[in-house]
Amino acid sequence: EVQLVESGGGLVQPGGSLRLSCAASGFTFNRYWMFWVRQAPGKGLEWVANIKQDGSEKDYVDSVKGRFTVSRDNAKSSLYLQMNSLRVEDTAVYYCARDKGIWLTTYEYWGQGTLVTVSS
Amino acid sequence: DIQMTQSPSSLSASVGDRVTITCRASQSIRNYVNWYQQKPGKAPKVLIYAASSLQSGVPSRFSGSGSGTDFTLTISSLQPEDFATYYCQQSHSTLTFGQGTRLEMK
Repeated sequence: EVQLVESGGGLVQPGGSLRLSCAASGFTFNRYWMFWVRQAPGKGLEWVANIKQDGSEKDYVDSVKGRFTVSRDNAKSSLYLQMNSLRVEDTAVYYCARDKGIWLTTYEYWGQGTLVTVSS
Repeated sequence: DIQMTQSPSSLSASVGDRVTITCRASQSIRNYVNWYQQKPGKAPKVLIYAASSLQSGVPSRFSGSGSGTDFTLTISSLQPEDFATYYCQQSHSTLTFGQGTRLEMK
């Protein structure tokens, strides 16, 4: 059974940093693109970042470029999101998601999410 | 970036109704569209991928169609567990979602 478990969320002041983790199990982690998707309270879904199987390609939504860094450790089947210079508007539930592994990007499996609150 | 415009933003319906949700892309995206269902406090779940392919385990009352710029998600006969928010998502370029359609019980 595929499982994705996020951790690392919490309350942080504007300008602060957090590192989110996503522990994956039930599949061969190094065979899939992985993603971070967020959802602000009461709002819709927003793709944040993605990373290729071997970590050689990464991409970010414009609003987090230069502040967030996605990484992975295939030996530990883990995905990470380092978030620096956090802003109030980064407040959201952050989900990690696994690609379906076909020709178009599809978020096939999702974690339960971890809440990040940026507030003074 | 490609914008995805969903309509309606909310919809009231009854069990047994046929429901259609529409998503329009700001430019042609062939069939690079997925549909998700999200219930309160839960992660989204993929229903349809590549515009019309049913995800494994999803009931056959869900179907998708469209190509180019106009796409639809149809629920043929609403069940109580279908009341949720639905999102389209395009994978043709920088990944974007529609704003969501909240399906409520009439």
